[in-house]
Amino acid sequence: GAGVSQSPSNKVTEKGKDVELRCDPISGHTALYWYRQSLGQGLEFLIYFQGNSAPDKSGLPSDRFSAERTGGSVSTLTIQRTQQEDSAVYLCASSLMGDDTQYFGPGTRLTVL
Amino acid sequence: AQSVSQHNHHVILSEAASLELGCNYSYGGTVNLFWYVQYPGQHLQLLLKYFSGDPLVKGIKGFEAEFIKSKFSFNLRKPSVQWSDTAEYFCAPWRTDKLIFGTGTRLQVFP
Repeated sequence: GAGVSQSPSNKVTEKGKDVELRCDPISGHTALYWYRQSLGQGLEFLIYFQGNSAPDKSGLPSDRFSAERTGGSVSTLTIQRTQQEDSAVYLCASSLMGDDTQYFGPGTRLTVL
Repeated sequence: AQSVSQHNHHVILSEAASLELGCNYSYGGTVNLFWYVQYPGQHLQLLLKYFSGDPLVKGIKGFEAEFIKSKFSFNLRKPSVQWSDTAEYFCAPWRTDKLIFGTGTRLQVFP
C-alpha cells in the first residue's frame, strides 16, 4: 500500500517568505507527527496530532511555525517569515492508534537563502 | 532534562566486523525503546523495538539490541556488518506519545 507522502520534495525560498509543507499520511492512520532534521542536530519533534484531540505543539520552535490537519488526514506545516536557521529536512510520520511504530515520509528539504 | 545520548557519531568498519552502537536515555519508569535506520536516499524505517519481556530484541537484517534497565541503555549490535548496512542509525525512546530521537550515528562499512 501507499506510504506517507510529502510535498514538495525540495523547497528553496528567500528569507522572510512564508512556506507550506504538505504531508499525506497512510490511510487509516490517526496519529501524525512532524519532525525536523538538521545537520548535526538529529531529529527534533515539532508537533503531534492524534485523532480529534488538541495537537501537542510542545516542539514548535517559535510562533512562526504552525500546523493544521484537515479532516483527520492531510496536514500542512506552515513557516512564516522564514529564517536561514529554518533550513532543514522536515519529516512527517504517521501511526495507527495504539501502535507506537511510526512510518516516515521522504521529507521536504527546505533551503532558506 | 530528559534526553537520549548516542555516543558514537561516526563509525567506520570493514565488512564482517562486529558492530555495537551505544544508546543511553535518562528517563525513569516504563519506557519503550526504538532503533530507526535511514539508508542513503531512503526514508527512516524501523529497525527494532522493545516494549517489555525479553530484554534482547531481534530486528531486521540481523540486528539486535539489549535493554539494560540498570544502565538505562539500549545498545544496538550486529555480529558481522555488510556494506549494505551503511546508513544512519537513530535511537529513540518513546515518551508522552512521541519519539525522542538521539542525534544519530553514521555508520560506514567498507568492503
